[in-house]
Amino acid sequence: ETGVTQTPRHLVMGMTNKKSLKCEQHLGHNAMYWYKQSAKKPLELMFVYNFKEQTENNSVPSRFSPECPNSSHLFLHLHTLQPEDSALYLCASSQETGRNEQFFGPGTRLTVL
Amino acid sequence: GENVEQHPSTLSVQEGDSAVIKCTYSDSASNYFPWYKQELGKRPQLIIDIRSNVGEKKDQRIAVTLNKTAKHFSLHITETQPEDSAVYFCAANLYGNKLVFGAGTILRVKS
Repeated sequence: ETGVTQTPRHLVMGMTNKKSLKCEQHLGHNAMYWYKQSAKKPLELMFVYNFKEQTENNSVPSRFSPECPNSSHLFLHLHTLQPEDSALYLCASSQETGRNEQFFGPGTRLTVL
Repeated sequence: GENVEQHPSTLSVQEGDSAVIKCTYSDSASNYFPWYKQELGKRPQLIIDIRSNVGEKKDQRIAVTLNKTAKHFSLHITETQPEDSAVYFCAANLYGNKLVFGAGTILRVKS
């Protein structure tokens, strides 16, 4: 598969569950991102990884835990989420941070009950 | 603070008319300004971008203008078509090459 892929596409979880979102890019990019998209804040940057190192944490609560094992894979581990965390979570990648086109994945629609 | 302001939040135009969306940014050192289009239920996709060494860039019916002195840039869509209906996001690379997005503009093209 080409471009940026995300799994699962839909996820429903209770507040006590632990789940993980996965993102994979097949573009040879060095930077990867997690965004939260909701009605309140249309494109809210959460985390930035550049060459596997986290370079940005946009004051995200600790119940969201990112992991970047290599430049092609990015995970978002979720635990003890709140209903207000329900949103579309988008992954993106780019060749460099801040200077090039970001390619977005299809997103994971998360519902927290 | 780190800010990209986008206006209007919603825009309705008649098919064939032009649409203009405006953004302002806070960091005078910003040098990369992309525009993304997000159709309903789909991912955001880049439609055009401009760098600070030019004042205008055009690609068929879309164009972007940049005024570095005033720190604002605009998206212009001419001869709008129903398939132009979507949410449009501007962005700018602010302090330390961090790409910050505007709040988005919902464009509706009425046929």
